[in-house]
Amino acid sequence: EAQVTQNPRYLITVTGKKLTVTCSQNMNHEYMSWYRQDPGLGLRQIYYSMNVEVTDKGDVPEGYKVSRKEKRNFPLILESPSPNQTSLYFCASRMGTVANYGYTFGSGTRLTVV
Amino acid sequence: GENVEQHPSTLSVQEGDSAVIKCTYSDSASNYFPWYKQELGKRPQLIIDIRSNVGEKKDQRIAVTLNKTAKHFSLHITETQPEDSAVYFCAASLTGANNLFFGTGTRLTVIP
Repeated sequence: EAQVTQNPRYLITVTGKKLTVTCSQNMNHEYMSWYRQDPGLGLRQIYYSMNVEVTDKGDVPEGYKVSRKEKRNFPLILESPSPNQTSLYFCASRMGTVANYGYTFGSGTRLTVV
Repeated sequence: GENVEQHPSTLSVQEGDSAVIKCTYSDSASNYFPWYKQELGKRPQLIIDIRSNVGEKKDQRIAVTLNKTAKHFSLHITETQPEDSAVYFCAASLTGANNLFFGTGTRLTVIP
């Protein structure tokens, strides 16, 4: 089944403790992206990747890192999480490098930083 | 970059009535306009999209219309059912650009 897999689904952590949210897709998509979803703000892009070893900042990149060492994986790293990073996170992928194809989203990671 | 505005933020309709959600975009170069449905606790899923070379697209009870001159596009759901209750997001992308720009979402509630 074609899908984007995120882990974990839920995560509670303490301020400053490094964490990684994993994202993997099995569709051989070039493009992958991370979004955060907050009430009233919709989906805001954190980082995206056009292909292996090619990453770039989205609208809200501060406090996050990503890497794209393999085509299928695009982990999101929070080196020193803070409470304002409490949010619902989605990984997404699509075929091609231009935006006029539909995205496939992962099932989401609800992160709470206390 | 592109700015997408979506209205209303919440919408309640009686089962069987129609629902309309509207979005405006700022950059006339945008040429791809998808709509996503997010049910409670689930991921956003693409339900319909339209490209700027067409003015309307239908898929059963849902349709999207695009007015390039006014820079707005709308989602129309007819004969609404309780399972249509969800948050709907519109989005737009610029010609040749890498990224989609999302609206802030509309929470649709269909009252049985």
